[in-house]
Order: sequence, then structure tokens, then C-alpha cells
Amino acid sequence: QSVLTQPPSVSGAPGQRVTISCTGSSSNIGTVYDVHWYQQLPGTAPKLLISGNNNRPSGVPDRFSGSKSGTSASLAITGLQAEDEADYYCHSYDSSLGAVIFGGGTKLTVL
Amino acid sequence: QVQLVQSGAEVKTPGASVKVSCKASGYTFTSYVIHWVRQAPGQRLEWMGWIDAGNGDTKYSQRFQGRVTIARDTSASTVYMDLSSLRSEDTAVYYCARANGGYYHALNYWGQGTLVTVSS
Repeated sequence: QSVLTQPPSVSGAPGQRVTISCTGSSSNIGTVYDVHWYQQLPGTAPKLLISGNNNRPSGVPDRFSGSKSGTSASLAITGLQAEDEADYYCHSYDSSLGAVIFGGGTKLTVL
Repeated sequence: QVQLVQSGAEVKTPGASVKVSCKASGYTFTSYVIHWVRQAPGQRLEWMGWIDAGNGDTKYSQRFQGRVTIARDTSASTVYMDLSSLRSEDTAVYYCARANGGYYHALNYWGQGTLVTVSS
């Protein structure tokens, strides 16, 4: 069981907008620690998608955006494309555990 | 360009140990933290620990405390992850990843992964 809770799956049609939530607590997302998001295509290493809650690394399309509010964070993907079909993970730090934590992952299916 | 190149796949028997290496290039090795993250087949990412490549400080997940050791060789720009007392549940792909700053920062560069299979 993950400290950060994500929906197991989400889906959307091409061109649509989807959001993936990441729910934590007052000892992780609800603190000063940022939330980061990764995309993992089948059989490959995770790739950083969003850092520091809402910053896109160079090369990441602006269709991807992140936000954080209270003890939750969200990843939004607009203009859904077939190549967005992947697993997505949120990541933060838990001050009570003194540990890096990942969400359980969300599988995005493009219909 | 920044690269993290990991050692090859391993097959181990239960009770054995495995040592996975992660060779860094393209940046100042001692200026960043390296994490180890593993992923069992079909499962989520699981954090194992980190090492500050500059001063050698380490922090391990409680789940692996006592079984994992992370070390670095600054002359070789390489980080090592040693996992002992292997069991079948340790079968996973093991990744090293560089943090973009301190230990709580995003992991912006990842190794290609090393598959460790534990089987009798």
C-alpha cells in the first residue's frame, strides 16, 4: 500500500483532457516538499514529466501540467494522443517516514 | 550529456547477494545525489535509498534497512547498490537515478535498469 494514493487507471479519447490525482497527507504533500511526476512507457525507465509541482523539463510538451493544493496534487494532460498511453507515477518526500515515496501508479489508456 | 549506465542482468539463488553498479558521466559526479529505485514485475516504483556522491552520506528505506548498502567510488564516478539475503520477492528491475539537487528533488536522469532474478 502506497503512502501516496493514485487511481489505478484513467482513460480518455484522443484530443480529450484527463487528470490523474495523487493524494497524500500532512507529512508529505501537505508540507514544503514538492511533488514530481514521471511517465513510464512499457519496458522503459521512468521519465521525468513534471518537477517541483508544476515545472516541465525541457522537451516535455506543454500539454502536460501539474498542480498541488493542500495534501493533493494533480497531473493534467490535454489534447490526449495515442503515445501518451503509459503508466504515470507521483513522487514526493515524507517527513515522518524520512523517506522518498512514490504513488501506486496510474495506467492511462487512450481509447 | 548526462548518462547513467548500469551493469547487466543478474540471476541469483535465494540467500545470495547482488551488487549492481551505476556509472555516471556528463556531469560533476560529486555534486549530486543518486537514488536506487526498484520495480517488481507489474508493480509500482519502490524507493530503496540514496547516496550523496559528494560526502558519501546515505539514507535507506526502512523496508530494506540491514539488507541494502549503497556506496560510491568517486575515482570511477560509479555508485553501487548491494542487496543481501535475496528472496524471490526481490526479483525486480533495479534503477539508479540522479536527483536534480538534494535528496528530495526530482529524479531527472535514470539508468537503463538492471533485471535481478532470484530463483532456485
